[in-house]
Order: sequence, then structure tokens, then C-alpha cells
Amino acid sequence: AQSVTQLDSQVPVFEEAPVELRCNYSSSVSVYLFWYVQYPNQGLQLLLKYLSGSTLVKGINGFEAEFNKSQTSFHLRKPSVHISDTAEYFCAVSLSGYSTLTFGKGTMLLVSP
Amino acid sequence: DTAVSQTPKYLVTQMGNDKSIKCEQNLGHDTMYWYKQDSKKFLKIMFSYNNKELIINETVPNRFSPKSPDKAHLNLHINSLELGDSAVYFCASSQGTSPGDTQYFGPGTRLTVL
Repeated sequence: AQSVTQLDSQVPVFEEAPVELRCNYSSSVSVYLFWYVQYPNQGLQLLLKYLSGSTLVKGINGFEAEFNKSQTSFHLRKPSVHISDTAEYFCAVSLSGYSTLTFGKGTMLLVSP
Repeated sequence: DTAVSQTPKYLVTQMGNDKSIKCEQNLGHDTMYWYKQDSKKFLKIMFSYNNKELIINETVPNRFSPKSPDKAHLNLHINSLELGDSAVYFCASSQGTSPGDTQYFGPGTRLTVL
């Protein structure tokens, strides 16, 4: 069975600083990888996804992620964060042949002035 | 227009009651899902429907019964509510059942069982 590990439950950062949110997965088969963001009291919104091809994926709001097969990682990065980026970020995987998502436990990004 | 909508947004009820949550999507998608988010914000798939047919049932108690009257709607009925059912329930939809399909989430229904 596949699993997703988000190593940090909370990441505090100052505005305009760079940030990296870490995600590792385990699976014996090919996976598709996603990052979703959840703003307070809202549903989840897709930031970006990796299906195949280039390992560097660009998403909305200036976020990008890099798929590293050898390290089974899919870390999310942003070079300069804004206060409005404060939210919960979820890494998720789906397996070839299955459409359901397996989520990590989430990382709360706290951006302060 | 909201792509995936859920009603109600908040639901407070007593243990033992029966309640329903409704979900509608206007994206023309074939596949819909129910997820449960617990108090620690952990999200877990409960059910998945494709063209009104149940395709995924992830070891959810029988007290939970999804119903899909048509492709655009997926409702969740819960019998004999328990304290542990308190959570935020999210509906989602996707174009099809491909694992690469983006899932679009509703705003969630916060269920509190007293």
C-alpha cells in the first residue's frame, strides 16, 4: 500500500522568505503526485500535479515542486512567500489504475510579517 | 457559480440521530467522492462513484450510506450518529477515474455530534 509522509506539521516563515515543504512517498508502483492547499475554513484547491515528463512542475501562485524518483520525494517550494500563503498544504498520491487520493497529514505554513 | 457545493455547511446534532449531507457539482464530471477530515486535519477517502455506480468503499461503517441519484449529485446519509463521526466531510469530483485527473473539492460540511 502507498503512503505519504509530510515531515513537518508546521513551518513558520517570514514574509518574502523562501520556503520548502517536504513530502516523501512510498509505493511499489508508479504514482501520480499532487499538492493541494486548504485555506482556513475552505475546501482543497489543486496547486500542482506531476503525472509524467519534466520532473520540475510549476503550479499556481508561484509554487513549484520537483519529483525525485530516487529519493521518492515531491517537495514544494516558493522563492518568496506572502502573508496570503498562510494555509494548510497537503501532499497526495494516486496509483496507476486508481483515482482515489492518499493524503499526507498536512503542513501548516505560517507566514508572518 | 460554485463548481462543487455542499449543504449544509455546518451540522450539529445529537448522538443516535440520522442526518444527510448533500453534494452537487456543475462541472459535468463523471466521478464523485466523499472524504472525511478528522480533528487532526487528516483526510481519508470514504467512497467514490462513477456514473452513479459505487466503485470505491473504503471500510466505512455500514451506518454511512452514499446515494447518487444522478451524475451531478452524491449525497451521504449517516445513521445512528456517534461522537467519533464528528469531522469535516468533503465532497469532490473529477472528470473520470484516471489517477491523474484533478479532483475539485467542495467547501466541506462540519459535522458536530454531541
